[in-house]
Amino acid sequence: EPEVTQTPSHQVTQMGQEVILRCVPISNHLYFYWYRQILGQKVEFLVSFYNNEISEKSEIFDDQFSVERPDGSNFTLKIRSTKLEDSAMYFCASSPTSGDSDTQYFGPGTRLTVL
Amino acid sequence: AQSVTQPDIHITVSEGASLELRCNYSYGATPYLFWYVQSPGQGLQLLLKYFSGDTLVQGIKGFEAEFKRSQSSFNLRKPSVHWSDAAEYFCAVKQAGTALIFGKGTTLSVSS
Repeated sequence: EPEVTQTPSHQVTQMGQEVILRCVPISNHLYFYWYRQILGQKVEFLVSFYNNEISEKSEIFDDQFSVERPDGSNFTLKIRSTKLEDSAMYFCASSPTSGDSDTQYFGPGTRLTVL
Repeated sequence: AQSVTQPDIHITVSEGASLELRCNYSYGATPYLFWYVQSPGQGLQLLLKYFSGDTLVQGIKGFEAEFKRSQSSFNLRKPSVHWSDAAEYFCAVKQAGTALIFGKGTTLSVSS
């Protein structure tokens, strides 16, 4: 069964550094999402992406964040200058464009630790 | 504002006993409803979903959920819990074309 994959599984970085989190969505999906879960809190929506542009973003997704689909398979989340409060589990998700477009399938997550 | 409430932070159930996890939502219209499960070190796995039609939906791993419009609820049930069901369970809602809104989750422990 096709799955969303994410790398790395755990990333440790120093405050102020840039990080790139990578995701490979399910191959025939064209809607992509990033969510995050700060320890002990809800899973929160960050951004959705379709047709090479952002379709929706939350208040959390400020100028420090960017997303990109650099090739036909990867979908990345970049945090330009990490802050302590960016420490969280980041989940990538994807959904198909027809038939089941409102069902999102999640990857295993990347745990980001900012020191 | 749209919101999802999972009133139980942590539930312990004996193996073989039945399970019900509660979920209530606040939304302008009937949303699409989902239950996801997160096992330790794993991602969010979709258990089941409700879009329309029959209000009792069946999912994977023997789970089912019932949509009750009058109570704005979408409770998850399983008749007989297995030790492998120990995990965190998230209820989520959305409208067509929008992002998911998650509850805070319920941690299920299974005792032998």
